[in-house]
Amino acid sequence: GAVVSQHPSWVICKSGTSVKIECRSLDFQATTMFWYRQFPKQSLMLMATSNEGSKATYEQGVEKDKFLINHASLTLSTLTVTSAHPEDSSFYICSARDRQGAGYEQYFGPGTRLTVT
Amino acid sequence: AQSVTQPDIHITVSEGASLELRCNYSYGATPYLFWYVQSPGQGLQLLLKYFSGDTLVQGIKGFEAEFKRSQSSFNLRKPSVHWSDAAEYFCAVGGTDKLIFGTGTRLQVFP
Repeated sequence: GAVVSQHPSWVICKSGTSVKIECRSLDFQATTMFWYRQFPKQSLMLMATSNEGSKATYEQGVEKDKFLINHASLTLSTLTVTSAHPEDSSFYICSARDRQGAGYEQYFGPGTRLTVT
Repeated sequence: AQSVTQPDIHITVSEGASLELRCNYSYGATPYLFWYVQSPGQGLQLLLKYFSGDTLVQGIKGFEAEFKRSQSSFNLRKPSVHWSDAAEYFCAVGGTDKLIFGTGTRLQVFP
């Protein structure tokens, strides 16, 4: 149980284009999903917290107009990197919190590697 | 300020040896504590968690961790390491909202 998927697993795009990454909770409902960014050999940096049906809460320093987050249902959140540039190349990981869960653990997706050329 | 410190960036052990990964935290309230493991190019898998009660918690893959409030620590242990345990390990602390992650400890296992 508690499986989170991400699509695509990797993507290469040209500078200036937009890329959408999907995060799905497969066997549970998630009222809250989180988006992280991870640079090589570094820890996870929380970008934003998204709650179903409401606007995402972005961490300080994260451009909300560049990283658009939509959490339209209890099982799906999307991250769109708009007008991507090479510095946006990174490993993006989402996580989800079980709506029915008694604890506050997050279940993580396998990540999406974005390369902007 | 809330923070997590993993003092060891890289640890190397022989297969079959015991393991202890250190984690210290700073948190204003009673923390929820977690250990996650990440294999290269993969997401994070939850190893174990502590919310309350018994301070020694058991997790998957033979791991355990002990919460010591007086030392603000939540160290991860395994009595006998397997080659498949080679990975990156992250300690995290949080409350009812977001998690704060440590910088990770890379575990290398030699045969």
